[in-house]
Amino acid sequence: NAGVTQTPKFQVLKTGQSMTLQCAQDMNHNSMYWYRQDPGMGLRLIYYSASEGTTDKGEVPNGYNVSRLNKREFSLRLESAAPSQTSVYFCASSEGTGWATEAFFGQGTRLTVV
Amino acid sequence: DAKTTQPPSMDCAEGRAANLPCNHSTISGNEYVYWYRQIHSQGPQYIIHGLKNNETNEMASLIITEDRKSSTLILPHATLRDTAVYYCIVRAAGGTSYGKLTFGQGTILTVHP
Repeated sequence: NAGVTQTPKFQVLKTGQSMTLQCAQDMNHNSMYWYRQDPGMGLRLIYYSASEGTTDKGEVPNGYNVSRLNKREFSLRLESAAPSQTSVYFCASSEGTGWATEAFFGQGTRLTVV
Repeated sequence: DAKTTQPPSMDCAEGRAANLPCNHSTISGNEYVYWYRQIHSQGPQYIIHGLKNNETNEMASLIITEDRKSSTLILPHATLRDTAVYYCIVRAAGGTSYGKLTFGQGTILTVHP
């Protein structure tokens, strides 16, 4: 049981380049999330998808786009990377029915923008 | 979602109980208290959650005060592998909040031999 899988694990980009971070879960969860974590700080929500076909902005959505490709997959795209987007990115999923459910996190993607 | 306050750091001796406090004085009636931890920059890991009753699972116990304005996470026999950042999160159930979790700074727990 893989849980939440993120690819790639590490990435270095030049300013202005674009890339897509991939996330897939195998727990048949309805809701998926993208967080970023900067050094010494807690996680901040970028975007989330409450269910297949829907996406909504979180706390820090600027500079990002997302796609909920199907129930399993939720991707995060940086169209024009900036050094301020250097961070560790975590994908998470939960049953997300709105009731108290736990979230499962991937192992993170460490992104450096130079 | 209600704001939480945690001490920035705590120490604990291996084998002893670790008691991590959290203040959530503005918690609403439909908000749950969650605890997650993050070990060495890995993805956060769910520990436990509760509404108003005390809860226990294989990892920890959660004690919520009667007025629900504070709670304590108890790791009964801390090991070196419990060294991590512990996050206390308050989240409403239902509505549009779904599984959105708002992480604060957390408490860095260091378990020493």
